[in-house]
Amino acid sequence: QKEVEQDPGPLSVPEGAIVSLNCTYSNSAFQYFMWYRQYSRKGPELLMYTYSSGNKEDGRFTAQVDKSSKYISLFIRDSQPSDSATYLCAMSLFQKLVFGTGTRLLVSP
Amino acid sequence: GAVVSQHPSWVICKSGTSVKIECRSLDFQATTMFWYRQFPKQSLMLMATSNEGSKATYEQGVEKDKFLINHASLTLSTLTVTSAHPEDSSFYICSARDGQGGNEQFFGPGTRLTVL
Repeated sequence: QKEVEQDPGPLSVPEGAIVSLNCTYSNSAFQYFMWYRQYSRKGPELLMYTYSSGNKEDGRFTAQVDKSSKYISLFIRDSQPSDSATYLCAMSLFQKLVFGTGTRLLVSP
Repeated sequence: GAVVSQHPSWVICKSGTSVKIECRSLDFQATTMFWYRQFPKQSLMLMATSNEGSKATYEQGVEKDKFLINHASLTLSTLTVTSAHPEDSSFYICSARDGQGGNEQFFGPGTRLTVL
């Protein structure tokens, strides 16, 4: 069993839709939870960073962490074609990051 | 802020040659830098962690003699792929952690290595 599970997609939605991306994890020792966005042939870009259960909002993005269920989510409101990318969840234990496989999101105009 | 650069962005080399990739933190001091490789449609796999002024810590299965890492300053780390072979062709990405900040890692744009 992988430490971090993430559906690879692709997830196709129309412009303006609310997108929900999710990851589950098995190691309860993970301390920090992150979401990265990666465009093709580019490095990952940090979107959200949280360390406690609950919600954190930044613009159109909301990150949700449920440590009791070992489940994290990223919601994107009013999705745009420019949001089309691969979204990677990542979790850290001490200073190492463990990544999910990434979910490819396609937002059609 | 928190910009990380990599050079070169892509490189093609012949089998048996060595290739050096540079990773720089442009606007912060990175006490710790990380090197990852990513195969097509797969996630990032950590290769090694390097701390400024000390030897890198390699992940299990990563050959330290093949992937030489040097973190000579707080803003520069280099990865040298020695005696490269076609199976080393991959996307290599570095990240850096701000020594003054939290636990976030900021990633470079990546280097695509193709070994012929």
